[in-house]
Amino acid sequence: KNEVEQSPQNLTAQEGEFITINCSYSVGISALHWLQQHPGGGIVSLFMLSSGKKKHGRLIATINIQEKHSSLHITASHPRDSAVYICAVGEGSQGNLIFGKGTKLSVKP
Amino acid sequence: DGGITQSPKYLFRKEGQNVTLSCEQNLNHDAMYWYRQDPGQGLRLIYYSQIVNDFQKGDIAEGYSVSREKKESFPLTVTSAQKNPTAFYLCASRRRGVSSYNEQFFGPGTRLTVL
Repeated sequence: KNEVEQSPQNLTAQEGEFITINCSYSVGISALHWLQQHPGGGIVSLFMLSSGKKKHGRLIATINIQEKHSSLHITASHPRDSAVYICAVGEGSQGNLIFGKGTKLSVKP
Repeated sequence: DGGITQSPKYLFRKEGQNVTLSCEQNLNHDAMYWYRQDPGQGLRLIYYSQIVNDFQKGDIAEGYSVSREKKESFPLTVTSAQKNPTAFYLCASRRRGVSSYNEQFFGPGTRLTVL
C-alpha cells in the first residue's frame, strides 16, 4: 500500500468549476506539501501545512491531522491551472518527503 | 535571481556509458536532493545531502553516485550499473533547520534518454 494516496488520478473540468483534489497518508508526518508540476516538468511549491487551512489566491489547502487527510481546492478554475498536482508528506528528522503519484488536472475553456 | 539550475534539459546517452547530471543552487541551502520521476509514479529519492562532504542513500540509490564538495553543487552520476536509467531527474534543495517544515525548491529537471 502506498504511503501517500491521491485521488483522482485524472481530472477534467470546465473553466470556472470548483475543483477538489484529495490526499490521504498513512505515516506520521511533520508537514504536508502541495506541489504543482507544469507540462515542462518544473515543480513549484504551492503550500506547506501542518494544521488547519491555508489560502493563496484561488487555491485553498486544508489538512485534518486526525483523519490523515488533506484537500487542495481550486475556485473558479482556469485553463492555466492545467498541471499535475502532487501531494507530499514530510516525515522524520531528516525532512525527506514521500510523494503521491500526482493528479493530472485539465481545465477546458 | 536565486534558484536551482540543472543542465542540460535533455540528455541522450548510449547504453553502457556513465553520465553526470549537473545541479547548482545559489539559495545558500544546506540540504540537496536528487529525485527520479517515471510515468505514473511519484518522485522517488535517489540520494540526499544535508551538508557538504556528506550524503546519504535514498530509496533507489543503486546504479547512481553523487558528490558534495561544494555547498552550491550536487552532481549525480548515472552509471552503467543502473538498469533502467531513462527517466526525468529532478534536483531540489532545502534550507536546513526544522526538518520538513522548510519547503523544498526544485530545479527544472533533466530528461535522460539512454539509447
